[in-house]
Amino acid sequence: EPEVTQTPSHQVTQMGQEVILRCVPISNHLYFYWYRQILGQKVEFLVSFYNNEISEKSEIFDDQFSVERPDGSNFTLKIRSTKLEDSAMYFCAFLGVSSGANVLTFGAGSRLTVL
Amino acid sequence: GEDVEQSLFLSVREGDSSVINCTYTDSSSTYLYWYKQEPGAGLQLLTYIFSNMDMKQDQRLTVLLNKKDKHLSLRIADTQTGDSAIYFCAETPNDYKLSFGAGTTVTVRA
Repeated sequence: EPEVTQTPSHQVTQMGQEVILRCVPISNHLYFYWYRQILGQKVEFLVSFYNNEISEKSEIFDDQFSVERPDGSNFTLKIRSTKLEDSAMYFCAFLGVSSGANVLTFGAGSRLTVL
Repeated sequence: GEDVEQSLFLSVREGDSSVINCTYTDSSSTYLYWYKQEPGAGLQLLTYIFSNMDMKQDQRLTVLLNKKDKHLSLRIADTQTGDSAIYFCAETPNDYKLSFGAGTTVTVRA
């Protein structure tokens, strides 16, 4: 059973539509992340979320993006008005500790295709 | 600044060793990581090395770290077809964030 479940696995949407990507970690963690990977490019940091607040965000994470944990379990990424360049794989992750090292555990990702 | 560079592709014969190289920029990184991504899957932690170490061995995996040159490498001994994947190097600009490279696609041929 995966430690992080992301839904949907693939979403196709029209430009200008709102999209919500969801992430459910198995166990209780405090630090959550969203990363994205445009096809063939780097895995880019979008935002980190700690104790129900944004801890850090990248310049990619503009006003079109928002994150929340609406029920203390699901962790969501909302894109208000999608653009073509938002087409990417979006990965959720949480922070854990392994032998003293901070380690990110990732979900399988949600592929977003904007037409 | 944060910038992790990797070669994009590596082709290796089954049974040979693979060496994947990475350069990073953040000298304050406490740990450096290697993640593996198989088709259709998320990033899976392979191994990591503490910044005050030069080498770490974990079964078929050997990580070498040259802090002076900010160079990290991953050697996979006796490469198998199941090792075909994308391998990502990551640095830690702070304790709570990882910055990744673009990934090296390793193809293992029979």
